[in-house]
Amino acid sequence: DVVLTQSPLSLPVTLGQPASISCRSSQSLVYSDGNTYLNWFQQRPGQSPRRLIYEVSNRDSGVPDRFSGSGSGTDFTLKISRVEAEDVGLYYCMQGTYWPPAFGQGTKVEIK
Amino acid sequence: QVHLVESGGGVVQPGRSLRLSCAASGFRFSSHGMHWVRQTPGKGLEWLAVIWDDGSNRQYGDSVKDRFTISRDNSKETLYLEMISLRPEDTGVYYCARDVQPKILVANFDYWGQGTLVTVSS
Repeated sequence: DVVLTQSPLSLPVTLGQPASISCRSSQSLVYSDGNTYLNWFQQRPGQSPRRLIYEVSNRDSGVPDRFSGSGSGTDFTLKISRVEAEDVGLYYCMQGTYWPPAFGQGTKVEIK
Repeated sequence: QVHLVESGGGVVQPGRSLRLSCAASGFRFSSHGMHWVRQTPGKGLEWLAVIWDDGSNRQYGDSVKDRFTISRDNSKETLYLEMISLRPEDTGVYYCARDVQPKILVANFDYWGQGTLVTVSS
């Protein structure tokens, strides 16, 4: 099975400062159709996960443009350009290229 | 808008059974594949099962294969998860999630429900 490794697992950030989360896959996530099925989810405290980014770099509707995704092959990154208080929570990467789908361990973003 | 509401969770003894439901609204349920995912303290987020739009194909994660059954009733716009032989390690929050595709070759969830808590304990 594909393993996704996120780092860091805990990320204290000052309001207004940038944040970056890494997600590394044990195998290339490029599918036979040429697309890469790596998504990012945000889970605010007490809420269910919400998709932020799909297929590496596409922002979902309603997601602020301070969130961006990048990467290729096995290495991916979620960046928040300027962290706001509402960004506190857990962030997960998820791959859908291979069965079974798999999630990273999660990164906890908190305000310093 | 898309709305998914899980129900059926609760406290159950080890070895017993439980059936979860996920009521869908705000979209054409019969045009989307659907997943079950759980969140446990031990394993974080874990994908459990998927079913195609018409129910013609189902797949399961290894930890629940042979114990859990995913099904759907498109006339009722409802997804189900039948769970038997429950174990303490099955304790967690169970989510249903919509896939963007009807017949799923790659998993791509977009919307999740709010979850229902299952506690397996004597």
